[in-house]
Amino acid sequence: AQKVTQAQTEISVVEKEDVTLDCVYETRDTTYYLFWYKQPPSGELVFLIRRNSFDEQNEISGRYSWNFQKSTSSFNFTITASQVVDSAVYFCALSEAPTGRRALTFGSGTRLQVQP
Amino acid sequence: KAGVTQTPRYLIKTRGQQVTLSCSPISGHRSVSWYQQTPGQGLQFLFEYFSETQRNKGNFPGRFSGRQFSNSRSEMNVSTLELGDSALYLCASSLEQGARSEQFFGPGTRLTVL
Repeated sequence: AQKVTQAQTEISVVEKEDVTLDCVYETRDTTYYLFWYKQPPSGELVFLIRRNSFDEQNEISGRYSWNFQKSTSSFNFTITASQVVDSAVYFCALSEAPTGRRALTFGSGTRLQVQP
Repeated sequence: KAGVTQTPRYLIKTRGQQVTLSCSPISGHRSVSWYQQTPGQGLQFLFEYFSETQRNKGNFPGRFSGRQFSNSRSEMNVSTLELGDSALYLCASSLEQGARSEQFFGPGTRLTVL
């Protein structure tokens, strides 16, 4: 069975601080996809990144970066120089790939509050 | 390109009633998935439709059902509502079946059961 753990329930930082959101996953599949989504107060889930299990390269997109480590089953997300607009709930998710099944297994989410 | 739209955005029902929620995917997207979000259980997968066929189903009772039309629009129905069905119901669309393409989520329908 798949499982995604986001141990940090809530994080509060001051603007311009760097912050890392942790994600640990469990799966028996050798091929899978990992995702991060952002959920602002409006409720809509906003896609941030997808990473497949064969691609362990870290990725940077502006102030966002992701660190994928298969050895520790982790897919952590770092926001550099945080801004108030980054305040949201962030979800890590896992999806099986080989069977073509769509279902995303989500973690419980980390609420990030960025104070001005 | 218009995003995923869901109607209605808010809904209040009483126990025992039934409800139908609607989702219009992004134009050209053929896969639609539904998720339930509650404070206690978090985000849970309900079902996925692709080309009018249910391809995958989560662990929910038979009171939860859905369908997809030829234009890819999807509806989900919950019969005999219970208090625990109060939740944000999110719909997501994607171009392809499976995990090869990203899912784009709509704003959700917030259902309150009294």
